[in-house]
Amino acid sequence: ILNVEQSPQSLHVQEGDSTNFTCSFPSSNFYALHWYRWETAKSPEALFVMTLNGDEKKKGRISATLNTKEGYSYLYIKGSQPEDSATYLCAFIANDYKLSFGAGTTVTVRA
Amino acid sequence: ETGVTQSPTHLIKTRGQQVTLRCSSQSGHNTVSWYQQALGQGPQFIFQYYREEENGRGNFPPRFSGLQFPNYSSELNVNALELDDSALYLCASSPGQRINTIYFGEGSWLTVV
Repeated sequence: ILNVEQSPQSLHVQEGDSTNFTCSFPSSNFYALHWYRWETAKSPEALFVMTLNGDEKKKGRISATLNTKEGYSYLYIKGSQPEDSATYLCAFIANDYKLSFGAGTTVTVRA
Repeated sequence: ETGVTQSPTHLIKTRGQQVTLRCSSQSGHNTVSWYQQALGQGPQFIFQYYREEENGRGNFPPRFSGLQFPNYSSELNVNALELDDSALYLCASSPGQRINTIYFGEGSWLTVV
């Protein structure tokens, strides 16, 4: 089992504020990093697939960066809205294509 | 809508029993993987099937087994259920063997009493 850690475990954000959180993963045998957004009672939804060191991806107000050499990725939410409330999962994919998930960061946006 | 459906959505089993969970993937997705998510943890990889053969397995005992069928459906079977098997079981599918984007079902909640 590979060590993929997400921090913080949970956070509360005021509507309109921006926030970010971290996914740490092994810096060796890297193939890809995925970010998923998981709302209660729904399927996890793919946000980003990141494969190259220095990758930056953006989808609306959400963006992510990747540093494979030091083994971390940041996910940013700009101008948080109540619909951003969800658990955000990162998944590290090693060269053998097996996924290792972090425990998630649960974001609650307060109106 | 991810196109991945799982059944049943919830079920309760007694310790020692056997359970079969089912998953229907998108057409053309010949890779399916199964995950267990216990409370407070991220999903843990159980195993993966590619073109009806297991091609990867996590740290789960042999009583966790699976099948993948030509019609893009799959099963997760768990024998001799233990209380610790209580969890959400997620099925995910992807096109091809190299995982780019994977599509999850909504999961099956299993409670073992």
